[in-house]
Amino acid sequence: DTTVKQNPRYKLARVGKPVNLICSQTMNHDTMYWYQKKPNQAPKLLLFYYDKILNREADTFEKFQSSRPNNSFCSLYIGSAGLEYSAMYLCASSPGLGGPGAEQFFGPGTRLTVL
Amino acid sequence: AQKVTQTQTSISVMEKTTVTMDCVYETQDSSYFLFWYKQTASGEIVFLIRQDSYKKENATVGHYSLNFQKPKSSIGLIITATQIEDSAVYFCAMREGVTGYQNFYFGKGTSLTVIP
Repeated sequence: DTTVKQNPRYKLARVGKPVNLICSQTMNHDTMYWYQKKPNQAPKLLLFYYDKILNREADTFEKFQSSRPNNSFCSLYIGSAGLEYSAMYLCASSPGLGGPGAEQFFGPGTRLTVL
Repeated sequence: AQKVTQTQTSISVMEKTTVTMDCVYETQDSSYFLFWYKQTASGEIVFLIRQDSYKKENATVGHYSLNFQKPKSSIGLIITATQIEDSAVYFCAMREGVTGYQNFYFGKGTSLTVIP
C-alpha cells in the first residue's frame, strides 16, 4: 500500500476554534510533511517530522503544531483558527532517510474552511 | 524570493501533440534535486519524474522527459503524445542538497488542458 491517508477530507471550523488534522501512512517512511495549499499558490511547507524530530518553518512556527505518536501517524494542530487558515492541507511522506533525492508521496488533502 | 518559478499559468494543446512546460529555479547549492508533480482533478498530487543536478543526461519516464539546462537554471517538462488524462496542474519542485536539506520548494503550477 503506497497511499498516504488523510482525515477528514473536509473540515469546517469556526474562527477561534481548534482544528486537528490527521495523516497516516503504512510505508514505514521516516519523514512526514505538512503543506498548506491555497488556490493559485505553490504548496507551502509548514513543518516536517524526521523520525521523532519536528522541524517547523520560521514563519509558521507559532501557528501550527504537530505530533507524531508513532511512525505511521502525524497530526497537524491549529490552536485557534483564523479566516486565513482556510486552505487545502496536504500531508506527504518520504521513504528511507528522506534524503534530498527522495520523492514525496502525497495524501489527498484536507480542505479546511474557516467561517 | 521565489525559489521555483513557473511562468506559464495555463496551456492548452491538442491531443497527441507534444507540450513543454517551463520551470526556472534558484539555488546556491552545488547539489540539488528537481521534481515534477501532477495534481489531478481530484486533488491528488502524484510524483512524475526527477532530475539530479549532477546528472548530465535528461531524465525520461514513459512519455515524460526533462530538458535540463543547468547554466540557465531551467528544468522543462516535456510530455509527448499527450492524452486527455494528462489534463492536470503540473508543479515543478526543488530540493537543495546541502542547505535547506529537507525543504521542498514548489512553483505555483501550470494548468494543462488537452483538447480532444
